[in-house]
Amino acid sequence: RKEVEQDPGPFNVPEGATVAFNCTYSNSASQSFFWYRQDCRKEPKLLMSVYSSGNEDGRFTAQLNRASQYISLLIRDSKLSDSATYLCVVKDSGGSNYKLTFGKGTLLTVNP
Amino acid sequence: NAGVTQTPKFRVLKTGQSMTLLCAQDMNHEYMYWYRQDPGMGLRLIHYSVGEGTTAKGEVPDGYNVSRLKKQNFLLGLESAAPSQTSVYFCASRRPQGAKETQYFGPGTRLLVL
Repeated sequence: RKEVEQDPGPFNVPEGATVAFNCTYSNSASQSFFWYRQDCRKEPKLLMSVYSSGNEDGRFTAQLNRASQYISLLIRDSKLSDSATYLCVVKDSGGSNYKLTFGKGTLLTVNP
Repeated sequence: NAGVTQTPKFRVLKTGQSMTLLCAQDMNHEYMYWYRQDPGMGLRLIHYSVGEGTTAKGEVPDGYNVSRLKKQNFLLGLESAAPSQTSVYFCASRRPQGAKETQYFGPGTRLLVL
């Protein structure tokens, strides 16, 4: 089983749609969770951290289910500018806490 | 505050040539990383460093060497380039822990090995 697995995508949605991305991770001791965004031919950038109680940042909502080892990202009212690849990222605990493990990413295209 | 910078942005090599990629960060971060990103493979960790003078192997270290002589710089070397090393290389840095665990990436170096 891969350490971090994401929906393969791609997702093509119209402007204004709601879209959800899912991610599972294999290490039950993982400590921290993030969503990064990567625009075409650019570097990844942090979109938001994912907290145990779930958290929201404007149109973006992240959820964490530790029991199922599952992370989600919901984007409401999609904009053209949301088109990007979304990377699920997990940080391990203890001696491996230097390392972030990245999923392969899910490509989102928002169409006019 | 430039963040993380990478030099060069683009390079073409012939098989067997060598080169060094330079990464510099001005955020006083302890941890630094080199990744490669290939289509369908995601980001893969090549080498990393948890402080000045230290380096360690990541998932795909073969064919690469690194050095961290100064805290702000992390160099990635290819001694004898191979076509399989054609990729986009990203450097990154972050603090070891704390509330802001953001990992910052450089803009990438696109390497083509012929």
